[in-house]
Amino acid sequence: EAGVVQSPRYKIIEKKQPVAFWCNPISGHNTLYWYLQNLGQGPELLIRYENEEAVDDSQLPKDRFSAERLKGVDSTLKIQPAELGDSAVYLCASSLGPGLETQYFGPGTRLLVL
Amino acid sequence: GNSVTQMEGPVTLSEEAFLTINCTYTATGYPSLFWYVQYPGEGLQLLLKATKADDKGSNKGFEATYRKETTSFHLEKGSVQVSDSAVYFCALSDTGANSKLTFGKGITLSVRP
Repeated sequence: EAGVVQSPRYKIIEKKQPVAFWCNPISGHNTLYWYLQNLGQGPELLIRYENEEAVDDSQLPKDRFSAERLKGVDSTLKIQPAELGDSAVYLCASSLGPGLETQYFGPGTRLLVL
Repeated sequence: GNSVTQMEGPVTLSEEAFLTINCTYTATGYPSLFWYVQYPGEGLQLLLKATKADDKGSNKGFEATYRKETTSFHLEKGSVQVSDSAVYFCALSDTGANSKLTFGKGITLSVRP
């Protein structure tokens, strides 16, 4: 069974440019998460989807970050414009449902903003 | 709010040595506790979990016991292998449908032959 797929794996951009990350969750997983992982830190939740609905986006900086999950499957996370401080790893995870269901993580996208 | 504190790293051990990685937490109510592992170049994987006090999670020779009285969930392994070299994250989750994972900072373990 395929795991969570993310692309690109690496991205280098200049500040003020836009960037987008894509995630394909495990088939049948209704819950999808985007996490931010800064260097030397644990992941922090940005947004959680139940099917196509964003049910927890309290930690998403909405002035520059946006996300969507059309049709309740794939998801895209966008930053526009990117800032130097956005350099980090962006992780996507999915689970069968919310709560204590095991979350399965993708390999992440490593972003470097110059 | 919830928080997880892990011991400072990195940790370097020789093969077959005993491993302990400390983890303590602060939470309201009765959270579930997890250890995740990240091998080089791979995504985070659930290593083990415990959902109530005194539960012991175990997997791949690793164990951790949910200690409510000391708010701890220390990870142990009796004999580490080179293949255990990875980053280990302790995490907690509130109960309920709206629960979310709160992670510690992670600790890098290197096992030398």
